[in-house]
Amino acid sequence: QSALTQPASVSGSPGQSITISCTGTSSDVGGYNYVSWYQQHPGKAPKLMIYDVTNRPSGVSNRFSGSKSGNTASLTISGLQAEDEAHYYCSSYATRTTMVFGGGTKLTVL
Amino acid sequence: QVQLIESGGGVVQPGRSLRLSCAASGFGFSYYDMHWVRQAPGKGLEWVAIISFDGNNKYYGDSVRGRFTISRDNSKNTLFLQMNSLRAEDTALYYCARAGDAYIDYWGQGTLVTVSS
Repeated sequence: QSALTQPASVSGSPGQSITISCTGTSSDVGGYNYVSWYQQHPGKAPKLMIYDVTNRPSGVSNRFSGSKSGNTASLTISGLQAEDEAHYYCSSYATRTTMVFGGGTKLTVL
Repeated sequence: QVQLIESGGGVVQPGRSLRLSCAASGFGFSYYDMHWVRQAPGKGLEWVAIISFDGNNKYYGDSVRGRFTISRDNSKNTLFLQMNSLRAEDTALYYCARAGDAYIDYWGQGTLVTVSS
C-alpha cells in the first residue's frame, strides 16, 4: 500500500497561482475519477476542498480547482491568499485498500 | 450540523489494547459509511479502515489489518475502533470521518493515542 506522491512543499506570492501534483498508479489515481483534496491548517482537522477530481463542495472558493491526466492529479489554487497557507493532501480510491492518501504538500504564501 | 466526537485515546504500553469511540450527531448515521484515519505527530494522513453503513463490509489498511477492528452501533450513533497488539508506530491522532462516496466530507477533531513503555 504505497502513498500517493506529492511534492513536499510549494510556494507562491499573494495573487499568484500554484499547482500541486499527486501521482499514483493505474490502481488508484489513474483507474478511477475518485481523487479528492484536503486542506489542513496547523492543529486543525482536514477540510474537503475537491472531490471526484474536479468538484468543489458548497462553501469552497472557486479559486480551488482540480484536474487529472493519466496517473497524476493536480490541485490548482489561483489568486493565492495568506489564508491558503496550509498542508494539502490528495486522496484516491484504490482497488485493494479502498482509500490511499498522498504524503502531503506544505503550501507557503510568501 | 454534523458532529463527530472521538474519545478513548491515551497512553498505552506496546502489545496492549485500546478501544476508540466516535459519537456522531447531526446526520443520519445509519445511512453513511464511516472511516478511521490517523496522523502520526508531524506526519501525513494515513487511512486506517472503513465500515459500510450497515456494518456488513469492512476494509483495512495494510499496516493495521489483523490487529485493528472497526465496528459500529447504529442504535447509538457510535463508531468504534478496537486496536490490539499496539506498536510504537501506531502512535497518532485518530480521526473519525464520514464517507461521502469515495471521499471524506466531515472529520472529527481526533483523539490521541500514544504507545509507549
